[in-house]
Amino acid sequence: DGGITQSPKYLFRKEGQNVTLSCEQNLNHDAMYWYRQDPGQGLRLIYYSQIVNDFQKGDIAEGYSVSREKKESFPLTVTSAQKNPTAFYLCASSRTSGGINTGELFFGEGSRLTVL
Amino acid sequence: GNSVTQMEGPVTLSEEAFLTINCTYTATGYPSLFWYVQYPGEGLQLLLKATKADDKGSNKGFEATYRKETTSFHLEKGSVQVSDSAVYFCALSRDQFYFGTGTSLTVIP
Repeated sequence: DGGITQSPKYLFRKEGQNVTLSCEQNLNHDAMYWYRQDPGQGLRLIYYSQIVNDFQKGDIAEGYSVSREKKESFPLTVTSAQKNPTAFYLCASSRTSGGINTGELFFGEGSRLTVL
Repeated sequence: GNSVTQMEGPVTLSEEAFLTINCTYTATGYPSLFWYVQYPGEGLQLLLKATKADDKGSNKGFEATYRKETTSFHLEKGSVQVSDSAVYFCALSRDQFYFGTGTSLTVIP
């Protein structure tokens, strides 16, 4: 079955540590996204990528980094510079044509990061 | 610019009640419109979509009509069930996806 796989589902981190969240898709989608969700709140865009080896900052990119070396993979690193990293992180992907989304957004199951 | 404004929650209904969650949008061009549902601890799932004016999206008893004249995409269901308890997000797509803040629905027996 095609879909998006995020790992790990739960992650605990000590302050000052970097952590990397994995996101893999086998939907052959060009565009991939990372969102952050805080309790009782909506989604905030961290980074997105429309093609391999290219990505753009979203609304809250500070303290995060990404890479897009392969079409199917878009890992997110939460660095020690992120002041309040405890949150639920969602990866998503979509089809695009000429920079415009041509279908819906497909989401992974999410990764819950807790800083101890 | 592009944005979505969604009815504030939380919403609490009795089983079999009628549901409406309001959603209005601002967009350049002709966006596609979506409703997503999120169950606790999970990612978002597509509930329904509409790609052009006057289209009606429907799924699992939920419906929403793309109204260009009122820039709205309100979600409705005639008779809610306990299993419909979740958070509902309205969204539009152009160069990116733009989400509303979500509406939490609790259905009590």
